[in-house]
Amino acid sequence: GDSVTQMEGPVTLSEEAFLTINCTYTATGYPSLFWYVQYPGEGLQLLLKATKADDKGSNKGFEATYRKETTSFHLEKGSVQVSDSAVYFCALSGTNAGKSTFGDGTTLTVKP
Amino acid sequence: GAVVSQHPSWVICKSGTSVKIECRSLDFQATTMFWYRQFPKQSLMLMATSNEGSKATYEQGVEKDKFLINHASLTLSTLTVTSAHPEDSSFYICSAGGSGGSSYEQYFGPGTRLTVT
Repeated sequence: GDSVTQMEGPVTLSEEAFLTINCTYTATGYPSLFWYVQYPGEGLQLLLKATKADDKGSNKGFEATYRKETTSFHLEKGSVQVSDSAVYFCALSGTNAGKSTFGDGTTLTVKP
Repeated sequence: GAVVSQHPSWVICKSGTSVKIECRSLDFQATTMFWYRQFPKQSLMLMATSNEGSKATYEQGVEKDKFLINHASLTLSTLTVTSAHPEDSSFYICSAGGSGGSSYEQYFGPGTRLTVT
């Protein structure tokens, strides 16, 4: 079945540091890939998405590129802010009746 | 953009009682909704897929008689936790399925925190 593996956390960075959160996936077919962000006590918000190989999703300074050859969708941001502190989930969907499969989440803490 | 609401946002109930959680798509019609459960500091676990006008499809290991799902209209799905126990305490999140070509994007509700005492 489908699966998503995320870099284990927690990740702690200083403000303005470079962020990478690794994500790899296993799926049959051609899934769509997503990054969601969850702030404390809240639901999930879509951060960015990519629907086919070599697509780059971007939003709020975050980027991720759909790499079919390495089955990866790593999240990057050049300069993190304290307000980026949250849990980040990598997910895929589209191969099984629209269900989403989530990674375990990576907690990011950015210190001033 | 697509908005999904949940009600209530948090609820405390006594052991043995039942609790109903509503999930509404506010500005679009959702033929499919999904219910997830999230334990503290863990990922989302899909509980069931709710299809308008038909029975829900439950994931393996989820008790369908305990977690009753009804999707009576294109904008409303409900999850009822029957005879709740403390181990049912969790964060329940719904999502409404959308599709744009090959992108099965889901729109998530804000979640409902259930505490069973």
